[in-house]
Amino acid sequence: DTEVTQTPKHLVMGMTNKKSLKCEQHMGHRAMYWYKQKAKKPPELMFVYSYEKLSINESVPSRFSPECPNSSLLNLHLHALQPEDSALYLCASSHASSPPQHFGDGTRLSIL
Amino acid sequence: AQKITQTQPGMFVQEKEAVTLDCTYDTSDPSYGLFWYKQPSSGEMIFLIYQGSYDQQNATEGRYSLNFQKARKSANLVISASQLGDSAMYFCATRGFQGAQKLVFGQGTRLTINP
Repeated sequence: DTEVTQTPKHLVMGMTNKKSLKCEQHMGHRAMYWYKQKAKKPPELMFVYSYEKLSINESVPSRFSPECPNSSLLNLHLHALQPEDSALYLCASSHASSPPQHFGDGTRLSIL
Repeated sequence: AQKITQTQPGMFVQEKEAVTLDCTYDTSDPSYGLFWYKQPSSGEMIFLIYQGSYDQQNATEGRYSLNFQKARKSANLVISASQLGDSAMYFCATRGFQGAQKLVFGQGTRLTINP
């Protein structure tokens, strides 16, 4: 079992739906990350939160909206997604300025 | 900017043999970290081992060791006494310690352990 918990594990949604991915960690980490991973490719960074503030947005389309309500929680709100957004979405956390990043099990997202 | 190159798309190894997964890196950061992650088919990314650029000794974690050759810019992962459960995708990654906390991954090596 990983120490970073992601829910749901699987999500199927239509292009007009609104859904959210949730990530939780209780390791006292102050940096949290969202990655997107397509099949047979490495993970690609989407967002970084440091001390609950957004520090990196890798030019992600606005249909993905991150939120960090507190130091343990990270959400990714999804709206009007496209079929090409189908992927594995991984959350990770780390101490603010030191490695390594610890990943959750991911959410497999399918857009119909 | 950082870049990771993993030149072995796939490797097949007999159980109980040692295996070396290659990783070369390029970075402009004066200090950086090198990481190896394992990703089974179920999807989770499992942290295996970390090497800091100023660490004098090669990192070891159980059956995993990192063969760090700074002058050659290589950070190969060595798995001793391979097991069937080692079959997975393995990613090498790097992160600079200045500026953004961004992990840059290589394309990965798919390791298959044969009984």
